[in-house]
Amino acid sequence: KQEVTQIPAALSVPEGENLVLNCSFTDSAIYNLQWFRQDPGKGLTSLLLIQSSQREQTSGRLNASLDKSSGRSTLYIAASQPGDSATYLCAVQKVSRLTFGEGTQLTVNP
Amino acid sequence: DTGVSQDPRHKITKRGQNVTFRCDPISEHNRLYWYRQTLGQGPEFLTYFQNEAQLEKSRLLSDRFSAERPKGSFSTLEIQRTEQGDSAMYLCASSFSILGSRGENTEAFFGQGTRLTVV
Repeated sequence: KQEVTQIPAALSVPEGENLVLNCSFTDSAIYNLQWFRQDPGKGLTSLLLIQSSQREQTSGRLNASLDKSSGRSTLYIAASQPGDSATYLCAVQKVSRLTFGEGTQLTVNP
Repeated sequence: DTGVSQDPRHKITKRGQNVTFRCDPISEHNRLYWYRQTLGQGPEFLTYFQNEAQLEKSRLLSDRFSAERPKGSFSTLEIQRTEQGDSAMYLCASSFSILGSRGENTEAFFGQGTRLTVV
């Protein structure tokens, strides 16, 4: 059974810092990995999709990497802003379903 | 296209009542998923449709739960005889997958969810 772990569970940083969120998964036979953002009481917003054959994807201040063989992914956020405050979830896809981690709750303080 | 739409956004019901939620996926997306999320946890897979066919159901989907996707467009999730343990956020997602492909580039898009509270 696929298990996804996210570390840390919570993170508080001052505005402007660069930060890294970690995601690990137990079954490396995945199709892709997706990072999502979730604001309180809201749905999920897709941030980045990394296919199993890719090593990284970039979107603006976000960069996600994937090391499938070791079962790890990182989400790098550059020059963090208060508007980045949210819960960040990673999810791995195998066949049809996504398996999620429990998320990292990020707070960026002005 | 305004993305995945879910209705209602919030539902409060008494234990034992039946509830039904609706999801309208992004048009032309052939896959539709239902997930459940409780506070502080990541979403958990419930079921998924490829067009109108329900291809996979989680063990979380008890006999009280039923999902449909008539004509391969919108979907409904019904919970019969609700219990307090059913209180959660119910999330719908859709994606497009080329038939016959493994779906490595299948990006899932989620709706805003339906918050169910059973009292």
